[in-house]
Amino acid sequence: TQLLEQSPQFLSIQEGENLTVYCNSSSVFSSLQWYRQEPGEGPVLLVTVVTGGEVKKLKRLTFQFGDARKDSSLHITAAQPGDTGLYLCAGARSGAGSYQLTFGKGTKLSVIP
Amino acid sequence: ETGVTQSPTHLIKTRGQQVTLRCSSQSGHNTVSWYQQALGQGPQFIFQYYREEENGRGNFPPRFSGLQFPNYSSELNVNALELDDSALYLCASSPPGQSKNIQYFGAGTRLSVL
Repeated sequence: TQLLEQSPQFLSIQEGENLTVYCNSSSVFSSLQWYRQEPGEGPVLLVTVVTGGEVKKLKRLTFQFGDARKDSSLHITAAQPGDTGLYLCAGARSGAGSYQLTFGKGTKLSVIP
Repeated sequence: ETGVTQSPTHLIKTRGQQVTLRCSSQSGHNTVSWYQQALGQGPQFIFQYYREEENGRGNFPPRFSGLQFPNYSSELNVNALELDDSALYLCASSPPGQSKNIQYFGAGTRLSVL
């Protein structure tokens, strides 16, 4: 079973602070995706990282894929209340033509104004 | 707005009943995946359909079954409902070609089994 461990599980910070959440696995994935999910909604794709060592930036969000393609991190600079949500990482693997996503349990972020 | 729509949004059933959930995928997307998300957990892969055939399955019993139609819309059927089937059921569609691992999710159907 390929597991993705996310940490921390819960994070509550003040507006303007920086934070990093982590996603770790013992398995290699062909790509890794980060999603944000708000209550009552489905996950919304933020970014896909494919190459080991890859760094992608999306405004105040910086995503990094580990060199061995087993782990990833999401760093948010100057967090805002609108960043509040459940952040999920998902590893993609392919087999027999199907593409399955294995999700972590998520990091629930609350940004307090 | 991902263009993936699911119905119904909420559903209440009792143990032993059967349920059908529906998903309309984004235009041009020929692959549909279904996930179960229990409270406080990440989504878990149920199965995937490509061109009307099951194309991969997670660790779910046979009472979870599905269909994909020629217009790529899809159904998830669950027979003999159990209390633990209470969850948010998510459908995701993927474009053809090399972007198949990029999945766009609907808002889900919240199923409560009493």
